[in-house]
Amino acid sequence: QSALTQPASVSGSPGQSITLSCTGTSSDVGGYNYVSWYQQYPGKAPKLLIYEVSNRPSGVSNRFSGSKSGNTASLTISGLQAEDEADYYCSSHANINTAQVVFGSGTKLTVL
Amino acid sequence: QLQLQESGPRLVKPSETLSLTCTVSGGSISSNNYLGAWIRQPPGKGLEWIGSIHYSGATNYNPSLRSRLAMSVDTSKTQFSLKLTSVTAADTAVYYCTRDGGNSANFEWGQGALVAVSS
Repeated sequence: QSALTQPASVSGSPGQSITLSCTGTSSDVGGYNYVSWYQQYPGKAPKLLIYEVSNRPSGVSNRFSGSKSGNTASLTISGLQAEDEADYYCSSHANINTAQVVFGSGTKLTVL
Repeated sequence: QLQLQESGPRLVKPSETLSLTCTVSGGSISSNNYLGAWIRQPPGKGLEWIGSIHYSGATNYNPSLRSRLAMSVDTSKTQFSLKLTSVTAADTAVYYCTRDGGNSANFEWGQGALVAVSS
């Protein structure tokens, strides 16, 4: 059960759209539509942004959107704002017979 | 809105057992699509899924921790618990309890409990 691969850091300017990637295998990301994305501020618990690849929980801004192609999932943030500067983690269901979950290594988003 | 709160010792000696309890309020954990989950985060590092438990008692564990791990649930007290045996410094982390919606997505999170393993 290896961690999903995310770029360590990404940066963008206010107002820009930016896409974060999350690469796994056919045994996790590519095999199930159970990809989630989380936002985490320093010292705080993560917050669910996207579940089941592209669904947003109630209360999450529609500036956040998710998609998947093959073994790679993506989180797009449109209209980048200073408050979006945070760590972002993806996760995926990882086993056909159980409810095992694997997380990505995390991406630090810097808003310039 | 479901709320979760971790409780338990914040300092554990090496080779001993780490025990944490998650108390759930604002809702019931006795639901078919409710899984209580534990996730940890070592200082300055990423998230690691530890495992999950259904209100029936059925569990799913991270294979790398399975031999040291035990989870239990007490639906009457709306609590679920984690025990990790034979801990080392590598188990030092913030431990979060969460609600997994049955779709591997963690919808609600506790505030986290920093547990240090040290003599």
